Amino acid sequence: GAVVSQHPSWVICKSGTSVKIECRSLDFQATTMFWYRQFPKQSLMLMATSNEGSKATYEQGVEKDKFLINHASLTLSTLTVTSAHPEDSSFYICSASRTSGAGDTQYFGPGTRLTVL
Amino acid sequence: AQTVTQSQPEMSVQEAETVTLSCTYDTSESNYYLFWYKQPPSRQMILVIRQEAYKQQNATENRFSVNFQKAAKSFSLKISDSQLGDTAMYFCAFIEGWGKLQFGAGTQVVVTP
Repeated sequence: GAVVSQHPSWVICKSGTSVKIECRSLDFQATTMFWYRQFPKQSLMLMATSNEGSKATYEQGVEKDKFLINHASLTLSTLTVTSAHPEDSSFYICSASRTSGAGDTQYFGPGTRLTVL
Repeated sequence: AQTVTQSQPEMSVQEAETVTLSCTYDTSESNYYLFWYKQPPSRQMILVIRQEAYKQQNATENRFSVNFQKAAKSFSLKISDSQLGDTAMYFCAFIEGWGKLQFGAGTQVVVTP
C-alpha cells in the first residue's frame, strides 16, 4: 500500500509556456500533499504543502504565482509551472501523507523531470 | 542552520558486507520522528525505516536497522548483508511534531561485487 504516482514522468517545453504535473495517491486518501524540487546531486527542497480543499502554503522564496498548486481531491494534487523559463528546469517530486497528524509518514511519487528550452 | 547532518558524502561497501551511515540532528523538542529514505538511480524516494523519538527500541526492517541515540541526537542506519540493489543515495530526514520534513544532504552508497 501507499503508492503515489506522478504524471508525466518527464516533459520538455518551450520557454514561456505552462506545464501541469499531476500527483495521485493510488491506494489511500491523502489529506496532505507536498511538492519538492531537487537539483542534481542535491537534497530535496520543500516548495509547498497543500491540504485538500485549502490553499497551499508556500515556503519562503517560492513564487506562488509561478508555481500554482491545486489539491482538488483526497487523491489528486497538481503543480502548474506558469510561464516556464530555463531556470525552472529541475526534478519535481510530490509526496502524500494520510493525515496531517504529527510525524505522519510521507510517501513519494517517482518524480517529474522538467526541461525548459 | 542545518538541522540534519549527514557527514559522509559517499560510502563504498562490498556485497554481503555491512555499512553504517551516520546522521545527527538538532532539536529542542521531545516529540519528533526520524526517517531514512533511499533514492536509487531511478530517483524514486523509498521509505527505508521510521523511528518515533518516544520509542526507546531501535527500529528494524529486514536488513536495515537503526541505532537511535536520543541524548546524542544521533540516528545511524546499518545495512547488513549489502546487495547490489542497495546502491542508492540515502537521506536521513527529521520532522518535529507538525513541522515540515527536513532532509540531510544525503550519503551515496555504492555496493560493489
